[in-house]
Amino acid sequence: GAGVSQSPSNKVTEKGKDVELRCDPISGHTALYWYRQRLGQGLEFLIYFQGNSAPDKSGLPSDRFSAERTGESVSTLTIQRTQQEDSAVYLCASSPPGAHTNYGYTFGSGTRLTVV
Amino acid sequence: LAKTTQPISMDSYEGQEVNITCSHNNIATNDYITWYQQFPSQGPRFIIQGYKTKVTNEVASLFIPADRKSSTLSLPRVSLSDTAVYYCLVGDDRGSTLGRLYFGRGTQLTVWP
Repeated sequence: GAGVSQSPSNKVTEKGKDVELRCDPISGHTALYWYRQRLGQGLEFLIYFQGNSAPDKSGLPSDRFSAERTGESVSTLTIQRTQQEDSAVYLCASSPPGAHTNYGYTFGSGTRLTVV
Repeated sequence: LAKTTQPISMDSYEGQEVNITCSHNNIATNDYITWYQQFPSQGPRFIIQGYKTKVTNEVASLFIPADRKSSTLSLPRVSLSDTAVYYCLVGDDRGSTLGRLYFGRGTQLTVWP
């Protein structure tokens, strides 16, 4: 597609339920990132994929969080037994292969998760 | 890891030039300086990147002194639509360090009529 697509754009869930957030990167982009942004805060790194492997998962806040990626395409971020502190905008970004680019990473518009 | 420091907020009026300065005292030789812009309810968007001296594109200019310990993003003749959060990142040529983008709180620029 033309950009990074995330779905759903908004999700309201009850505390304790599981949620799945989806990211469709730009076609051909090998690297994919998940970030979390709480209201009024900066971006917090969660996990990074290169292809379908995750060299860096160190940002996942707890074992309730997991992510997977199919090949060099869709990624799913799953949050189990959601808590109110999980409420945030979850952002996905992708970037092409190769060492050099003059346009950085491309972000999606995010999924706004509200846990009630 | 080069840490960046920038003002939390700035105010300006339409038509003025805005300069946002970022400090990065321990920038590494191989690091680039990258700026992103974020509007409400959107993900950050790359706006400009440089290594040294001056870079200009259709959106902004980036001034980097010889010691590279700081950089200044310059937005000419801002409009209301330039109201956004601006982030300064230091890292490889995509702005990442060890595969990550490190975003601080950024600078909230508010443009008034």
